[in-house]
This record gives sequence, structure tokens and C-alpha cells, in this order.
Amino acid sequence: NAGVTQTPKFRVLKTGQSMTLLCAQDMNHEYMYWYRQDPGMGLRLIHYSVGEGTTAKGEVPDGYNVSRLKKQNFLLGLESAAPSQTSVYFCASRRGANSPLHFGNGTRLTVT
Amino acid sequence: GQQVMQIPQYQHVQEGEDFTTYCNSSTTLSNIQWYKQRPGGHPVFLIQLVKSGEVKKQKRLTFQFGEAKKNSSLHITATQTTDVGTYFCAGWVGTSYGKLTFGQGTILTVHP
Repeated sequence: NAGVTQTPKFRVLKTGQSMTLLCAQDMNHEYMYWYRQDPGMGLRLIHYSVGEGTTAKGEVPDGYNVSRLKKQNFLLGLESAAPSQTSVYFCASRRGANSPLHFGNGTRLTVT
Repeated sequence: GQQVMQIPQYQHVQEGEDFTTYCNSSTTLSNIQWYKQRPGGHPVFLIQLVKSGEVKKQKRLTFQFGEAKKNSSLHITATQTTDVGTYFCAGWVGTSYGKLTFGQGTILTVHP
């Protein structure tokens, strides 16, 4: 039982490059989330999903896209990376709306 | 939109001193959750409060939910070096189903 697994752990991109962050959970959770964490800003919600095939925007969705084609996976895409997207990205999942969040170990992304 | 504010942003204490962090929402919260993130780690769920005026304890940690369900606090008695980390509150308003918003977090440093 691995919980929530994020890949990759680290990545360096040049401005304008694209990439996809993968989040996988093996707990059969309905809800999945992508947050970014920046110093002094806490955890800010990018996008989330309340079930397979559904996605919704969070607080800071611009520049990101997501897909939830399979219940266990939640993908975060950056089509054209910008230095402002340098951050630590956390994926999380939970069983239901009142359940605790289970976080992955994070992806540290640097955009130069 | 919903805002969850947390103060203070930083707290430095001597080992053995008490510590309190406060969380305030601009709107009534359905429930509130607290998380702890160790340096270099990911957030880990501590507790959830649901009822107005609820108080819960976990060893040296005391969590309170305000009567109006707009504020919450976490109090640590006699801090230890193992308490070091960032403490986050998180909540959602019933109308934003599934969307969990975090406070900015309080970074706690404990000097031995």
C-alpha cells in the first residue's frame, strides 16, 4: 500500500517547456488535489477532482491543466512553463469530503 | 471567495514554553482540519473539528473550534524539539463542495 505517489521528485525546466506531473493513489479515493507551496504563501489549490472524469479550478489555476481519466491518477500539466511556476507541488487525495487529506512527497520544480 | 487566515506566520519558542496558532475564516466553515509539515516533508493530518465549540486533545496538543465556526486554534503545551514544523489549518465552506482551502501556516521553531 504505497498511498499517494508523485513523479518526478525533482525537475528543472527552461521557460516555455512543457511537462506533466503524475499523481497516483492506491486507496480508491474519490477526491484528488494539486497544491503548490511557496514560502510565506502556504498551500494554494491549483485544481481538484471530486471523481473520475471530473475536474475543477482552485485558487491559482492559470497556466495549468489537469486530467482525471482514471480514478487512481491525477495529472497536472504545464503547457509553457514560466519562472513564476517554480514551486513545490503536492498532490493529495481523500476518500470523501469530510475525510483527511493524504499527501504525496512532493515534486520540486524549478523553471529557469 | 473563501479566505482562511492564519497567525502568526512565525513563532520561535524555548523548549518547554507553550505555543498557540490561530486560524480565522471570512465565512462559516463546515469543518476544520489541522495538519503538520516537518521541514522537508509533506503535510500530515492531525485532527478534524466539526461541531461548534468543539475541543479535542492529543497529548500536549489542544484544538478548539469557535462557537461561530469561523475560527480555530491549536495550542501546544510545553513544546519539545519534535514539535518543530509548519502547522496548517484547512477548511471548506459547504457550498464549495470538495474544495479545501489552507491557511498560510505557522512555522514553529523550538530552541533547546
